[in-house]
Formats: sequence, C-alpha cells, structure tokens
Amino acid sequence: GAGVSQSPSNKVTEKGKDVELRCDPISGHTALYWYRQRLGQGLEFLIYFQGNSAPDKSGLPSDRFSAERTGESVSTLTIQRTQQEDSAVYLCASSLFGVDEKLFFGSGTQLSVL
Amino acid sequence: SQQGEEDPQALSIQEGENATMNCSYKTSINNLQWYRQNSGRGLVHLILIRSNEREKHSGRLRVTLDTSKKSSSLLITASRAADTASYFCATDRNQGGKLIFGQGTELSVKP
Repeated sequence: GAGVSQSPSNKVTEKGKDVELRCDPISGHTALYWYRQRLGQGLEFLIYFQGNSAPDKSGLPSDRFSAERTGESVSTLTIQRTQQEDSAVYLCASSLFGVDEKLFFGSGTQLSVL
Repeated sequence: SQQGEEDPQALSIQEGENATMNCSYKTSINNLQWYRQNSGRGLVHLILIRSNEREKHSGRLRVTLDTSKKSSSLLITASRAADTASYFCATDRNQGGKLIFGQGTELSVKP
C-alpha cells in the first residue's frame, strides 16, 4: 500500500469491553511496531514484530493486551476488558528492517474508554 | 522507562529564530532518529544519524551526536510557523530492531 493504514481511526467503548485495533503496514515491510501515546505524553513501546522472529512483547502493560501479525502483513492489537486508563492513541509503524531503519507511521487509533 | 529524554519539554520562539532541542539516552546505540508529530497523530521521520557520525544536515535541520555524552541535538534554522509541532528522538539500544522514543519537545513558532 501507499502508507501504513490503521482502523478504526476512532473507537469509543465501554469499560470492560474488548477492542481490536488493526494495522496494515507498507507492503514488503518486515518490521511492525505498536506504540501507545497518552494525551500530551511521549510514545510508549508496546510490541515489535520482525519477520519470523518471536515478537518482542516487553512493552505490553498487562496480560489484557495482546497482538498478532499474519506473516509480514496485517497486525491486530487486542485489548481485553478495557479500563479507562487504556484511553490513548495507539500508533502502528512499519519499517524495512536491515535496509532502512526509519519508521513509517499510521495516523493512529484514538481509543476512548468510558 | 523511556530511553530518550528530550529537553526542553516546551519551546516557544519567533519566526526566523533558530530552535534547538536536546535528547539524552542511556545505553549504547546503533543510530538515533528524530521524528516530528503534528496534532498528536502519526509521526514523520526527519533524520537519522548513526553512532559513527557526529553531525548531519538535511535542509534547515542539523543534527549532532555525542556518543561520549550519550546526547544529541536537533537544530532547526530560520524557523517558520509551519515548524510548530512536537519533536521526538528515538534510539535502538544497539540491539537492532525496536525503537524507543523520548517524551518529546513541543515547539511553538509564533509568526
């Protein structure tokens, strides 16, 4: 694709519900990242996928958070039993690891937990 | 904890002035990158400097890297109102792969 695509762009949910956020990386990009950004804060690393290697899940804040990636394409970030503190922008990025380290970001999903 | 820490947290200048933002980090790195973010959504890559480089230029941007001090600076010369944004540094911790971002500097350029 032309760029990294994230959906939905906005999601409002009730506390306790599960949500799924989707990321379509740039075609051919082997590395995919998820970050969380709370209002006025920096980017908090969540999880990193690189090719067929085991994902680096060291940033996931709790076992309510999980992510999957199908091959070198779509990734889904799932948050179970959402809490109000999960409200943030969730950003996805991809890169052509080993060739060009710069990240290309999607526009993010604004998650609001009521 | 975050790898990079930017300062100042916020910077307000007049159009035409230069803006300097600093980034400090804690561990060895392969490279350091600077990104810009408008309106709290997607970030855009600005410039990458490798650990064996000391200075790099791109248009009105100048980046320096001092690995002995584990610090970097981003200079924007002749600033414009359109430069108003948040600026983040990111490092790879010398392990390849994942990038860790700092807290950012919010730059406001007044016309």
